[in-house]
Amino acid sequence: DIQMTQSPSTLSASVGDRVTITCRASQSISSWLAWYQQKPGKAPKLLIYKASSLESGVPSRFSGSGSGTEFTLTISSLQPDDFATYYCQQYNSYGLTFGGGTKVEIK
Amino acid sequence: EVQLVESGGGLVKPGGSLRLSCAASGFTFSSYSMNWVRQAPGKGLEWVSSISSSSSYIYYADSVKGRFTISRDNAKNSLYLQMNSLRAEDTAVYYCARDGVEMATNTEIDYWGQGTLVTVSS
Repeated sequence: DIQMTQSPSTLSASVGDRVTITCRASQSISSWLAWYQQKPGKAPKLLIYKASSLESGVPSRFSGSGSGTEFTLTISSLQPDDFATYYCQQYNSYGLTFGGGTKVEIK
Repeated sequence: EVQLVESGGGLVKPGGSLRLSCAASGFTFSSYSMNWVRQAPGKGLEWVSSISSSSSYIYYADSVKGRFTISRDNAKNSLYLQMNSLRAEDTAVYYCARDGVEMATNTEIDYWGQGTLVTVSS
């Protein structure tokens, strides 16, 4: 299976900060990568698909980039609602795999 | 509005069985591949199984292969997960989740249910 490695595992930031989360795949997944946001006790929510396509209804401060094995999720100006855990996921091949998650905390 | 509602979770002893159900509404269920994804308490997301729209293609994580069986009934707009030989490490919230593209497999997951908790303990 393809391994997905996210960094950092925890990130402390302030409202208004620019935040970047990295996801690396153990082999090339082209652009078959999604990013999800999850808040405690809630189901994940799709933010980005195909590495850089913004899901409908997701604020434009979220953006994704990358291809092959290196990907990033950027929040251009962190808002109070953005404090959550973020996961990347590859869907290039089954078994589907998720990164370990990045928890964005209030600094 | 797309809705996915899981049921069937609960407390079961190691070695026991449980059947999860997911009732889908608000979209053409028979056109979408579906998935089960789980999350152990305090841990990350783990994909469990996927089934294509017509049940032609079925995939399992190695951790559940041979013990879990995914199925669907398109006439009833329902997805199922039969879980046998349960272990303590299967304890998790199980999410029913829809693929994002009609008549396709290997796509992003665009809708998730609220999850149902399965606890395996003696």
